[in-house]
Amino acid sequence: KQEVTQIPAALSVPEGENLVLNCSFTDSAIYNLQWFRQDPGKGLTSLLLIQSSQREQTSGRLNASLDKSSGRSTLYIAASQPGDSATYLCAVSALTGGGNKLTFGTGTQLKVEL
Amino acid sequence: SAVISQKPSRDICQRGTSLTIQCQVDSQVTMMFWYRQQPGQSLTLIATANQGSEATYESGFVIDKFPISRPNLTFSTLTVSNMSPEDSSIYLCSVTGGPEAFFGQGTRLTVV
Repeated sequence: KQEVTQIPAALSVPEGENLVLNCSFTDSAIYNLQWFRQDPGKGLTSLLLIQSSQREQTSGRLNASLDKSSGRSTLYIAASQPGDSATYLCAVSALTGGGNKLTFGTGTQLKVEL
Repeated sequence: SAVISQKPSRDICQRGTSLTIQCQVDSQVTMMFWYRQQPGQSLTLIATANQGSEATYESGFVIDKFPISRPNLTFSTLTVSNMSPEDSSIYLCSVTGGPEAFFGQGTRLTVV
């Protein structure tokens, strides 16, 4: 059974700092890995998708990497801003006959302070 | 990308009652997924809803408690039946567009 862990569980940084969020998964047979942002009480916003054949993806100040063989992914946020404060979730998918099902990590709650 | 609308966005319900959550997608999709997020927890898949067939439930979730309808390729409903305070969660529907998953804004349910 796939298990996804995120470290740290919570993080507080001053504005402008670069930071790294970590995600690890136990079964390397994944279809893809996706990073999401969740604001309190809200749904999920997709940030980056890395397919199993890819090593990294970039969008603006965000960069996500994937090392499938070691079961790890990192999300790098450059020059953090207070608006980045949210919970960040990584999720891995296994493509089965039942569709693209996601297994989520426990999340990292980020607070960027002025 | 896909735009997903969920209704209601939140509700407070009495124990023992049922609530039906609606999920509308702006494009036709084969599969729709329903997730639950209990307070302070991450998301757990409840079931996969296929148009024209019975939903497929994950371990720990049963049809009597979470009946699902999928009448067409853009719409699905999830009912939370005979609710108890333990059902207080955010319920989210999701679809995939190619390899990427998209989520609605969720339904925040509080059972009192």
